[in-house]
Amino acid sequence: EPEVTQTPSHQVTQMGQEVILRCVPISNHLYFYWYRQILGQKVEFLVSFYNNEISEKSEIFDDQFSVERPDGSNFTLKIRSTKLEDSAMYFCASGKDRSSYEQYFGPGTRLTVT
Amino acid sequence: GNSVTQMEGPVTLSEEAFLTINCTYTATGYPSLFWYVQYPGEGLQLLLKATKADDKGSNKGFEATYRKETTSFHLEKGSVQVSDSAVYFCALEDAGNMLTFGGGTRLMVKP
Repeated sequence: EPEVTQTPSHQVTQMGQEVILRCVPISNHLYFYWYRQILGQKVEFLVSFYNNEISEKSEIFDDQFSVERPDGSNFTLKIRSTKLEDSAMYFCASGKDRSSYEQYFGPGTRLTVT
Repeated sequence: GNSVTQMEGPVTLSEEAFLTINCTYTATGYPSLFWYVQYPGEGLQLLLKATKADDKGSNKGFEATYRKETTSFHLEKGSVQVSDSAVYFCALEDAGNMLTFGGGTRLMVKP
């Protein structure tokens, strides 16, 4: 069964460094999403992406964040200058189309900022 | 804004016990409602969904009914198994196609 994959599973970085989290969505999906979950808190929406542009973003997704689909398979989340409060589990998701309502999630990348 | 509230865990049950995990929501429109499950070390998996009032979503013995009058979407299972041990998330999706999640409820089933 096709699945969303994410790399790395765990990333440790120093405050102020740039990180790129990578996701490979399901191949025939057209909608892509990033969510995050700070330890002990709710899963929060960050951004959705369709047709090579951002379609929705939350107030969390400020200028420090960017997303890109650099080729036909990868979908990346970049954090330009990490802060301690960026430490969280980051989930990528993809969906076939808006009407299906279903988003398929990857296993997550745990980001630890020290 | 939209919000989802679900009962805090952990919920600890013996095998074959009846499960209810409460979920209520606040939304401005008519959202679709979901239950996601997260097994240890894995991502979120869609368990079931309901897209309009009075719809019942069901999968793997789990059920939830979209109750507009009480703004609820409680998850139930008649007889839980050890393999059902996981974290369960209630969520809603509004017109913007983004999911709003509850805080998650950890279920532990003992043999």
